[in-house]
Amino acid sequence: EVQLVESGGGLVQPGGSLRLSCAASGFTLSAYWMTWVRQAPGEGLEWVANIGQDGSGKYYVDSVKGRFTISRDNAKNTVHLEMNSVRAEDTAVYYCARYSDFWHAIEYWGQGTLVTVSS
Amino acid sequence: QSALTQPASVSGSPGQSITIYCTGTSSDIGAFNFVSWYQQFPGRAPKVIIYDVNNRPSGVSNRFSGSKSGNTASLTISGLQAEDEADYHCCAYSSRTSLGWMFGGGTRLTVL
Repeated sequence: EVQLVESGGGLVQPGGSLRLSCAASGFTLSAYWMTWVRQAPGEGLEWVANIGQDGSGKYYVDSVKGRFTISRDNAKNTVHLEMNSVRAEDTAVYYCARYSDFWHAIEYWGQGTLVTVSS
Repeated sequence: QSALTQPASVSGSPGQSITIYCTGTSSDIGAFNFVSWYQQFPGRAPKVIIYDVNNRPSGVSNRFSGSKSGNTASLTISGLQAEDEADYHCCAYSSRTSLGWMFGGGTRLTVL
């Protein structure tokens, strides 16, 4: 059974940093692109970042470029999102998700972890 | 403001059919057949119900169908049931950004 379990969310002050982690199980992580998607309270979904199977391809939505870094450790079956210089507008539930090259869609989602940016 | 435009809400009665539209541009929906739809219940993670415009994953009811015309994609739910009440999000690949992928703002479906 495919499982994605996020951790690391919480309350952080504006300008601060946070590192989200995603523990993957039930599949071979190195075979898939992985993504982070976020959802601000009461809002729609926003695709935040992608990372290729070997970590060489990384892409970000414009609003987080230069502040967030996506990474992965296939040996440890984990994906990370390093969040720096956070802003109030980064407040959201962050989902780790597995992308399907065949479906051109997100096939599996984690349960999400809430990040709240507030002083 | 989302790059793909969806109505904020739609409603229908049990047994009826409804269609949710997702409007993009010639750089995303109009250019690629990489449109997906996600169903999301309150407090839960989204679930894919349509991929590549009109394909259903195994286990998704055939009451859900997708299509595309020009720069607009659509999700139709036939034979509405109370359990269909949820948020629906469209997603498409775009050549306009390096990230490539974008969502619509989401549509809340209310079953009357």
